[in-house]
Amino acid sequence: DTEVTQTPKHLVMGMTNKKSLKCEQHMGHRAMYWYKQKAKKPPELMFVYSYEKLSINESVPSRFSPECPNSSLLNLHLHALQPEDSALYLCASSQGGSYTEAFFGQGTRLTVV
Amino acid sequence: SQQGEEDPQALSIQEGENATMNCSYKTSINNLQWYRQNSGRGLVHLILIRSNEREKHSGRLRVTLDTSKKSSSLLITASRAADTASYFCATSGGGADGLTFGKGTHLIIQP
Repeated sequence: DTEVTQTPKHLVMGMTNKKSLKCEQHMGHRAMYWYKQKAKKPPELMFVYSYEKLSINESVPSRFSPECPNSSLLNLHLHALQPEDSALYLCASSQGGSYTEAFFGQGTRLTVV
Repeated sequence: SQQGEEDPQALSIQEGENATMNCSYKTSINNLQWYRQNSGRGLVHLILIRSNEREKHSGRLRVTLDTSKKSSSLLITASRAADTASYFCATSGGGADGLTFGKGTHLIIQP
């Protein structure tokens, strides 16, 4: 199984809502990532978890809160988002070694209204 | 933050022709990777080249890396309509550092 599964595929939320994005992989990968991608732009790294611990936070606003409940799951909790946070949110995983590829999920397309 | 530029930003060619995309980056790297993205969904890994390698092949793909110029190129030979997608280079410092992507090239293959 070389899949990274993200749910939901689409999400529309109001600025006062709280929602969560979920990501799951069963490849035994030790590293998991969240990326944000705006239209016609490249993905930008948000967070990295290594061995279930947050290792990189790319100065992401606190309205985005990541969580890694176990080695297979990664969540992104959303609260009080702004319309400019509308984007495609991509989850990825990798072995985390020196020369390893990343496997990406299909993403959650988030619209904040 | 983005590493640098990809060139060209858009490329339209006829089916069967070769497509070449270039990527430049700014910092020292452990490896450079190329990914394809269809219609704004998930990215698919195409090929990885290590910093001590100069050229690598995989099927119809050929990647070169020039660390002295901090640049890489991706050549797709004998293009097909299914190759229509956005192509991104991505650099990594190794380990679980995450990827830093270039701006991407949108490739359109005309049937």
